[in-house]
Amino acid sequence: DVKVTQSSRYLVKRTGEKVFLECVQDMDHENMFWYRQDPGLGLRLIYFSYDVKMKEKGDIPEGYSVSREKKERFSLILESASTNQTSMYLCASTSEVANYGYTFGSGTRLTVV
Amino acid sequence: GENVEQHPSTLSVQEGDSAVIKCTYSDSASNYFPWYKQELGKGPQLIIDIRSNVGEKKDQRIAVTLNKTAKHFSLHITETQPEDSAVYFCAASRGFNKFYFGSGTKLNVKP
Repeated sequence: DVKVTQSSRYLVKRTGEKVFLECVQDMDHENMFWYRQDPGLGLRLIYFSYDVKMKEKGDIPEGYSVSREKKERFSLILESASTNQTSMYLCASTSEVANYGYTFGSGTRLTVV
Repeated sequence: GENVEQHPSTLSVQEGDSAVIKCTYSDSASNYFPWYKQELGKGPQLIIDIRSNVGEKKDQRIAVTLNKTAKHFSLHITETQPEDSAVYFCAASRGFNKFYFGSGTKLNVKP
């Protein structure tokens, strides 16, 4: 069964901390994505990557960065966490070769206090 | 970029009734339209998809229709069951890379 695994289901961090959210996929997908999900706002794209060491900004990249050193792993970094970054974070992957939509991880619910 | 609008935001139906969720998109070059179901505490899961060269697709109780001229597509669930209660998202994309999502519909099926 194909999988996208997010390392943490729940995280509580303090304002100003540097936060790492990890995502690993086992499907050899070249495309990986980070979204945040907030009530009434749907899924908003933060960053995405089409290949190792490549990254592109999505619609709301401010306050975030990403790292993709290996094909299977895509990390989201909150450089200095703020309370307005409290949200559900979803990682997804896909491939042109796979010929179907995203596979999502289970999500990480981050609370910044 | 693409803009996807989804309606209604909440939908409550009686068990056994049908449910319809509608989406519109703005980019005429979009050619792939998936639908996702998100249960409480879980990530969204793909339930059905349709490509722009097809007008309708059905999978048991679920069907999706696409009107390219009007740039809208819809999800139809027949004979709803309590386990259909979830949040449903539509999306649009060119190919299988960046997807644009609707804002979601919370479906409540009352037993």
